[in-house]
Amino acid sequence: EIVMTQSPATLSVSPGERATLSCRASQSVSSNLAWYQQKPGQAPRLLIYGASTRATGIPARFSGSGSGTEFTLTISSLQSEDFAVYYCQQYNNWPLYTFGQGTKLEIK
Amino acid sequence: QLQLQESGPGLVKPSETLSLTCTVSGGSISSSSYYWGWIRQPPGKGLEWIGSIYYSGSTYYNPSLKSRVTISVDTSKNQFSLKLSSVTAADTAVYYCARLIRWQWPDYWGQGTLVTVSS
Repeated sequence: EIVMTQSPATLSVSPGERATLSCRASQSVSSNLAWYQQKPGQAPRLLIYGASTRATGIPARFSGSGSGTEFTLTISSLQSEDFAVYYCQQYNNWPLYTFGQGTKLEIK
Repeated sequence: QLQLQESGPGLVKPSETLSLTCTVSGGSISSSSYYWGWIRQPPGKGLEWIGSIYYSGSTYYNPSLKSRVTISVDTSKNQFSLKLSSVTAADTAVYYCARLIRWQWPDYWGQGTLVTVSS
């Protein structure tokens, strides 16, 4: 099983500032990585797939980078609606896809 | 607009079988471009992959759950279903159904349904 480790567990950032979230895989997943945003009581929302491709309708302030074992999600200028929990997911190891434990992005 | 909706009992007794159905609207479950999957999230915790199915009926399960999981598809009803046998309290979770791009990442999710395992 590929273990996905996200850091930090909680990130406190002020609106308008940049947020950088990290995701590390226990072995290479190539670029087969997605990022999701989840707000309380809601389903996850796809933000990024292929490590760096924004999903349909996702604002340009969200960007993803990385390959292999190290990945980053950057939110360039935080808006109030961006405060949520973010998960990474590898889909390289079929059929056992795994998620990170999540990073909670909170208002500073 | 594609929509997925989970349905089924919200309370299941220990040792019994959890059964959920996902109804797909606004698109065909028989599309060759997509797989259909189940993912769960225990209260206050992270996401766990359960398994997925293609419209042809081919299934792919998380090895840790494989002995207890069955996913099936009914193309005539545009639905797919999850059965999880011999449940325990550890199976208490919000269960999501989702559409997978090819067999890979979920792009559309249902709203989720909480299933509690308790006597």
